[in-house]
Amino acid sequence: AQTVTQSQPEMSVQEAETVTLSCTYDTSENNYYLFWYKQPPSRQMILVIRQEAYKQQNATENRFSVNFQKAAKSFSLKISDSQLGDTAMYFCAFMKHVVRSNFGNEKLTFGTGTRLTIIP
Amino acid sequence: EAGVAQSPRYKIIEKRQSVAFWCNPISGHATLYWYQQILGQGPKLLIQFQNNGVVDDSQLPKDRFSAERLKGVDSTLKIQPAKLEDSAVYLCASSLRTSGQGEQYFGPGTRLTVT
Repeated sequence: AQTVTQSQPEMSVQEAETVTLSCTYDTSENNYYLFWYKQPPSRQMILVIRQEAYKQQNATENRFSVNFQKAAKSFSLKISDSQLGDTAMYFCAFMKHVVRSNFGNEKLTFGTGTRLTIIP
Repeated sequence: EAGVAQSPRYKIIEKRQSVAFWCNPISGHATLYWYQQILGQGPKLLIQFQNNGVVDDSQLPKDRFSAERLKGVDSTLKIQPAKLEDSAVYLCASSLRTSGQGEQYFGPGTRLTVT
């Protein structure tokens, strides 16, 4: 079974600064996906960024980037130029690679989350 | 494109009562998930449907929880009878049949309080 660990329950940072959220995971799989999801207060969860384990290049999405260290089983999220709208719970999640014949069988395993507050 | 819809948004019941939650996934999404998110924890998968068939219900407490997706579209999750520890947010999510990349779209959730 896979486990996902987020060791920072809460973080805060000044607006416009850079912040890094940590995530480690444990798996015996070689092919998998990692995700960061954002859950704003009283709003629904949305996908921030996705990383395929077979890709060495770190994923980036505008101000969001990851540092994926496969050997260390580490997957951190960096938010640059943080904005007030970035205030939210952030969840790291893991999913095994699903072969085409088994599409529709994806299962996400989530960490416990990091509550991020951006201070004006 | 409309997102995943859930109702009700909030529900308060007493222990031993019954409750039902409804979910309407994004049009064309064959896979539907129900998650339980207890305060301070990440979401935990309860059940996963592919069209109207169950793919994974290994973590569903079947003595009190049930779920159905009769026509492969809408889904209902029921708890009967509820316990105090069922207080949580119940999230519904959906994904495309052919995605294979795990992108799931979440609804706003139903916050259940059992007193």
